[in-house]
Amino acid sequence: DAGVTQSPTHLIKTRGQQVTLRCSPISGHKSVSWYQQVLGQGPQFIFQYYEKEERGRGNFPDRFSARQFPNYSSELNVNALLLGDSALYLCASSLDPWNTIYFGEGSWLTVV
Amino acid sequence: SQKIEQNSEALNIQEGKTATLTCNYTNYSPAYLQWYRQDPGRGPVFLLLIRENEKEKRKERLKVTFDTTLKQSLFHITASQPADSATYLCALVLKGSQGNLIFGKGTKLSVKP
Repeated sequence: DAGVTQSPTHLIKTRGQQVTLRCSPISGHKSVSWYQQVLGQGPQFIFQYYEKEERGRGNFPDRFSARQFPNYSSELNVNALLLGDSALYLCASSLDPWNTIYFGEGSWLTVV
Repeated sequence: SQKIEQNSEALNIQEGKTATLTCNYTNYSPAYLQWYRQDPGRGPVFLLLIRENEKEKRKERLKVTFDTTLKQSLFHITASQPADSATYLCALVLKGSQGNLIFGKGTKLSVKP
């Protein structure tokens, strides 16, 4: 079975631009969450979606938004990119929000 | 303030020895705790989950303990191998939360042959 898949794996954007990151959960998993990991730190929670509804939001500005589709895949959007948004963006899925969480390999975003 | 601390940023041990990594937390009420392994440039890989009412969990050469009185989890790798070299992350899921993980910064383990 395929694990959590994310695209793109690497991308470079300019300050002020917008980016969309995509995630496909493990088959059968209905919960998807997003985390941001900057170098030398642990991942930080951004969003959680379950059954296509937002169930949790971390301490991130409104420039960050996400959604979950009927097939349980998800997108993370970040508007008006700042240099500080450069990080590894991790998508994770689980059967439901209270089960073991499995991560994808991440999308590396560099903002220049 | 709320904190989750992994006490060593880096741990160097000799092959064959037991590696012990520490995770301490303050002002949190965890429902359960998870340990992950992360290799450079890769996503975290789930290793073990331990619930608040469990004292110990084992999986092959891995063992995790959870002491809610001390607010501490210990993660042991016995008979360590160079292939165990990686960053190990502990993460809490809080009672009453939506299940999101709160991570420590991680401990970078290096196992020397």
